[in-house]
Amino acid sequence: DAGVTQSPTHLIKTRGQQVTLRCSPKSGHDTVSWYQQALGQGPQFIFQYYEEEERQRGNFPDRFSGHQFPNYSSELNVNALLLGDSALYLCASSLTTEQYFGPGTRLTVT
Amino acid sequence: AQSVTQLGSHVSVSEGALVLLRCNYSSSVPPYLFWYVQYPNQGLQLLLKYTTGATLVKGINGFEAEFKKSETSFHLTKPSAHMSDAAEYFCAVRPADSSYKLIFGSGTRLLVRP
Repeated sequence: DAGVTQSPTHLIKTRGQQVTLRCSPKSGHDTVSWYQQALGQGPQFIFQYYEEEERQRGNFPDRFSGHQFPNYSSELNVNALLLGDSALYLCASSLTTEQYFGPGTRLTVT
Repeated sequence: AQSVTQLGSHVSVSEGALVLLRCNYSSSVPPYLFWYVQYPNQGLQLLLKYTTGATLVKGINGFEAEFKKSETSFHLTKPSAHMSDAAEYFCAVRPADSSYKLIFGSGTRLLVRP
């Protein structure tokens, strides 16, 4: 049984560019959450998708947007990248209370 | 606002010694509580969780945690540390106010000395 998968593994972008990160949930899970983990810190909640709609959002600007597809996979889009957006982006899937995390995408903004 | 405090950004123990990682949360209503482990350049792996019921929770790899409502704590312990336990450990809460997000502490790096 495949766990949560994310692509790409690493990404380097320039300030002002846009980026799309992808996530496939664990089999049987219908909910996807996205987190940002800056170096040396705990993950920060960005938003959660359920039934193809954003169900809850954390304290992130509108530059951060997402989408969930009918097969429950999800995308995270970040526009107008800033240096401070450099971080590990983690996707987590869930069916009930437990969230299972993927390996993350390391985004570097130069 | 709900918060999670992990005392000690770094904890160092000898192999075979007791591991104790501390976590306190701020909430008047007991939330759901979790411990995750993160190995270098990897995602987070769920160690154990508390939702309701028994306050002593056993997890994977010999770890356990006790929910103490009066102390708003959820400390993680392991009787005997192994070299393979060296990693970053995160305590997280899911508030009981119908929130779906996890709120994480800042993490504790466990170092295991041979």
